[in-house]
Amino acid sequence: AQSVTQLGSHVSVSEGALVLLRCNYSSSVPPYLFWYVQYPNQGLQLLLKYTTGATLVKGINGFEAEFKKSETSFHLTKPSAHMSDAAEYFCAVSLYDKIIFGKGTRLHILP
Amino acid sequence: NAGVTQTPKFRVLKTGQSMTLLCAQDMNHEYMYWYRQDPGMGLRLIHYSVGEGTTAKGEVPDGYNVSRLKKQNFLLGLESAAPSQTSVYFCASRQSGISNQPQHFGDGTRLSIL
Repeated sequence: AQSVTQLGSHVSVSEGALVLLRCNYSSSVPPYLFWYVQYPNQGLQLLLKYTTGATLVKGINGFEAEFKKSETSFHLTKPSAHMSDAAEYFCAVSLYDKIIFGKGTRLHILP
Repeated sequence: NAGVTQTPKFRVLKTGQSMTLLCAQDMNHEYMYWYRQDPGMGLRLIHYSVGEGTTAKGEVPDGYNVSRLKKQNFLLGLESAAPSQTSVYFCASRQSGISNQPQHFGDGTRLSIL
């Protein structure tokens, strides 16, 4: 069965530092993976998705994620954090009719 | 572009009252979903629909009913509200069930049950 585990419910980084949000998945079939971002009092917005092909996926706002099949991981990175990146981030895996979400990681940016 | 619109945005109910949350999408999507979001719990699927006239149970369906009479609308009903149903409710739509299709979300309905 498909599932998603996000390591760390809260992550704090300094402005300008590297952002790394971890996501591991389990899937019995080739996975389709997504990262979503949720800003306060808003719905979820798609950051990026992996379907097939290139394992390094670029998304909006300078984020990217790398699909590593051997590690069953899909970690989200951004080279330099900005205050506007403070939000909650959700990793998700597609399962036929449904998309299964992780429990989320709240990213805090320190000035 | 409106995308996915949820009505109302906020509501306070008393225990035992009923209400309906409306979700409307203008993207001609086949699939629609209702989630609830609670602190530390992520998004939990309540019910979903794979097309007009169809509904299916998700992870936490008890205490909720849904209807999809029109393709563009998906209604979530609480027949007898309980404090445990205090939450933020999100609707999402998806073009189809093809696995590489993402979901598109509304801005949520914040519901408090007193």
